[in-house]
Amino acid sequence: QVQLQESGPGLVKPSQTLSLTCTVSGGSISSGRYFWSWIRQPAGKGLEWIGRIYTSGSTNYNPSLKSRVTLSIDTSKNQFSLNLSSVTAADTAVYYCAKDRANMIGSSFDPWGQGTLVTVSS
Amino acid sequence: QSVLTQPPSVSGAPGQRVTISCTGNSSNIGAGYDVHWYQHLPGTAPKPLIYGNTNRPSGVPDRFSGSKSGTSASLAITGLQAEDEADYYCQSYDSSLSGSKVFGGGTKLTVL
Repeated sequence: QVQLQESGPGLVKPSQTLSLTCTVSGGSISSGRYFWSWIRQPAGKGLEWIGRIYTSGSTNYNPSLKSRVTLSIDTSKNQFSLNLSSVTAADTAVYYCAKDRANMIGSSFDPWGQGTLVTVSS
Repeated sequence: QSVLTQPPSVSGAPGQRVTISCTGNSSNIGAGYDVHWYQHLPGTAPKPLIYGNTNRPSGVPDRFSGSKSGTSASLAITGLQAEDEADYYCQSYDSSLSGSKVFGGGTKLTVL
């Protein structure tokens, strides 16, 4: 059973780059040709999809964040990562990583990581 | 402003039936893309409730059911229980947004 775990700094200064890693266990990130996504939830707000990366390295991003987001994948470490540049307080949120449930374009997310809180503050 | 529209809140007494709507447009739900539902409790990861419009993952009680018609979808919960009090989100895919996954704004279910 695949499990995901987010890791990274819990505090980032404004204008800096937020960097998080999602480690996949219980299965290979390369098997099955799935998309792997990042999703966030600011306090008191709803879920927002950030972007996704395929096992080949191809990506799709939320147009509202595209200019600041970079996703990468390291199959040797069974990890994928998020970089969000030029952060502001509005980027303070719980960040989740998740796997597409199925190898299809409109798949749901299953499973999810537990989430990690990132606060942007000086 | 979420791409998919949900009511901010719904409520019901224990044992009752409630429904949560999710309205999209011709680029997402109306284009035939599947709708999925999640239950989210504070401090936990969202839990998949319904995938592919009507399917329940293993372990999800049959009190939860999903439907889809046209540009909208609905989540129904029957036999409401106190433990169902949570936030519920719908999710789909939008072809007009560079291949984006999209969420509804979420609905807070209160069990009276």
